[in-house]
Amino acid sequence: ETGVTQTPRHLVMGMTNKKSLKCEQHLGHNAMYWYKQSAKKPLELMFVYSLEERVENNSVPSRFSPECPNSSHLFLHLHTLQPEDSALYLCASSQDGSLTEAFFGQGTRLTVV
Amino acid sequence: GENVGLHLPTLSVQEGDNSIINCAYSNSASDYFIWYKQESGKGPQFIIDIRSNMDKRQGQRVTVLLNKTVKHLSLQIAATQPGDSAVYFCAEAPQDSNYQLIWGAGTKLIIKP
Repeated sequence: ETGVTQTPRHLVMGMTNKKSLKCEQHLGHNAMYWYKQSAKKPLELMFVYSLEERVENNSVPSRFSPECPNSSHLFLHLHTLQPEDSALYLCASSQDGSLTEAFFGQGTRLTVV
Repeated sequence: GENVGLHLPTLSVQEGDNSIINCAYSNSASDYFIWYKQESGKGPQFIIDIRSNMDKRQGQRVTVLLNKTVKHLSLQIAATQPGDSAVYFCAEAPQDSNYQLIWGAGTKLIIKP
């Protein structure tokens, strides 16, 4: 496999559920990102991990909890979400925090019911 | 506040014609401006970038122009093809961004046969 892979592609969850999004990159990058993409809104950076340490946390509600066990894997743990959290969640990776060469996964389409 | 925005949300062009997608920004303290392309069902894909000390940069069938005087960025696509149909995002990397990109809302490019 190559590139950035996200699973699942689609997820429907209730507001009381707990679920996790997974991201895996096969590019040898050392920085990984979670973005939220809502309709008609700019991409929102949620979390950044560099060398497996969280370096950015953009005032994201605590119902979103990231985990980076190693440089190739990134998780986003979800619990007690709200309907307004429904969006496309994109994972990206880059080398040395390069903003110009970030590679994105296909995203997980999340629907909270 | 500082933001990056787009003049037109949707642009329709005839196949084979040239396309110009525009972007306005308000933060003059930036190192990079970047264009991404997002096809339906996929994550954003890096197209081309330009540093703030440049006015023009060319890639394969694409040219980015930067006018710092009026804080304007444009992406020109030559001889558009059906595969160019996508949403195009401009993004800005301020000097003190530290992994942050300021994204525009996106312009949808439609190629008419």
